[in-house]
Amino acid sequence: EAGVAQSPRYKIIEKRQSVAFWCNPISGHATLYWYQQILGQGPKLLIQFQNNGVVDDSQLPKDRFSAERLKGVDSTLKIQPAKLEDSAVYLCASSFGGSGNTIYFGEGSWLTVV
Amino acid sequence: AQSVTQLGSHVSVSEGALVLLRCNYSSSVPPYLFWYVQYPNQGLQLLLKYTTGATLVKGINGFEAEFKKSETSFHLTKPSAHMSDAAEYFCATTGTASKLTFGTGTRLQVTL
Repeated sequence: EAGVAQSPRYKIIEKRQSVAFWCNPISGHATLYWYQQILGQGPKLLIQFQNNGVVDDSQLPKDRFSAERLKGVDSTLKIQPAKLEDSAVYLCASSFGGSGNTIYFGEGSWLTVV
Repeated sequence: AQSVTQLGSHVSVSEGALVLLRCNYSSSVPPYLFWYVQYPNQGLQLLLKYTTGATLVKGINGFEAEFKKSETSFHLTKPSAHMSDAAEYFCATTGTASKLTFGTGTRLQVTL
């Protein structure tokens, strides 16, 4: 079974530039998450989708971050303009939904802002 | 709100020794609890999870964890450490929402 796919794996950009990350969840998973993991910290939820609707985006910096999940499958996370503090790993995850169901993670997209 | 606290940001054990990584939870409702492992430059992999039922949960790679309500703990153990166990370990909880809230992580070092 294919896992959660993310691209690109690595990206280096200058501050004030823009970047976009793509995620393809496990087939059949209705719930999709984007997490931000800063070096040395635990992952922090940015946004949660149920199908193509947003369930929770309370910690998404909406002045610079945006995310969409068209057709309830793939998702894109965009940062514009990037700041130095956005340097982190962006993890996409998916699940069938529900509190006890396993959430599966992709390998992450590593962003360095210089 | 549900949260977890991991005690010890770094743990070092000798190969063959017991591994004990500590996690305490805070929840007003029965929690769902998870342990994930992260190897260098990789994403998170589920080791084990507790939802309901048996309080001793067995996971992959010989790890297990015991849910202790009286101590609000969900510590991760492995009887004998292997070099390949060196990684970052995260305790996490979901509670009533289906989103994971993570602890700050514990880096496990295994020495010869």
